[in-house]
Amino acid sequence: KNEVEQSPQNLTAQEGEFITINCSYSVGISALHWLQQHPGGGIVSLFMLSSGKKKHGRLIATINIQEKHSSLHITASHPRDSAVYICAVSKASYGKLTFGQGTILTVHP
Amino acid sequence: EPEVTQTPSHQVTQMGQEVILRCVPISNHLYFYWYRQILGQKVEFLVSFYNNEISEKSEIFDDQFSVERPDGSNFTLKIRSTKLEDSAMYFCASGTTGVEAFFGQGTRLTVV
Repeated sequence: KNEVEQSPQNLTAQEGEFITINCSYSVGISALHWLQQHPGGGIVSLFMLSSGKKKHGRLIATINIQEKHSSLHITASHPRDSAVYICAVSKASYGKLTFGQGTILTVHP
Repeated sequence: EPEVTQTPSHQVTQMGQEVILRCVPISNHLYFYWYRQILGQKVEFLVSFYNNEISEKSEIFDDQFSVERPDGSNFTLKIRSTKLEDSAMYFCASGTTGVEAFFGQGTRLTVV
């Protein structure tokens, strides 16, 4: 069983829709990361969370440590949000990341 | 804004050849990592490096792989004798603590 599971694997939305991507993990963590990967392949860090909620522009990330669950929300989605969104966890303070399989998001105009 | 820089962006090599992938981490960072992503698969951890030595390595990181921080700024990954299955995107990452991670843009390695 994967230590980090994301759902859904694929998500298609119309421009303007509210989007939620979920991440569940099965191990104790020191932090959870949400990352974005564009078709060119580069990875950009969106959020690092160890508790609560963070917001950056139209993106909101939440984490529930007791339930071992995190969500990434995108409000007013736009075609430029189309990318692969990846959840990853660091289990120790010296932190290698363990990755989920990613969620492919496509936003249509 | 400081960033992690990787070179080359794309490398094609013959099977059995040695390759060196280069990374320049952000200058005040202390923790360094290599990850790889085979096409269509999830990102996998290869190795972490701290205080001038390997702190952890995965079972993928066998004797064919090595890492070096030769001059205090570069961080390299060497694959001694490449195999077809080494074809992947290789990502370097760094952080000031062992929790955060700033990624480079990756090197796409194609072994033919």
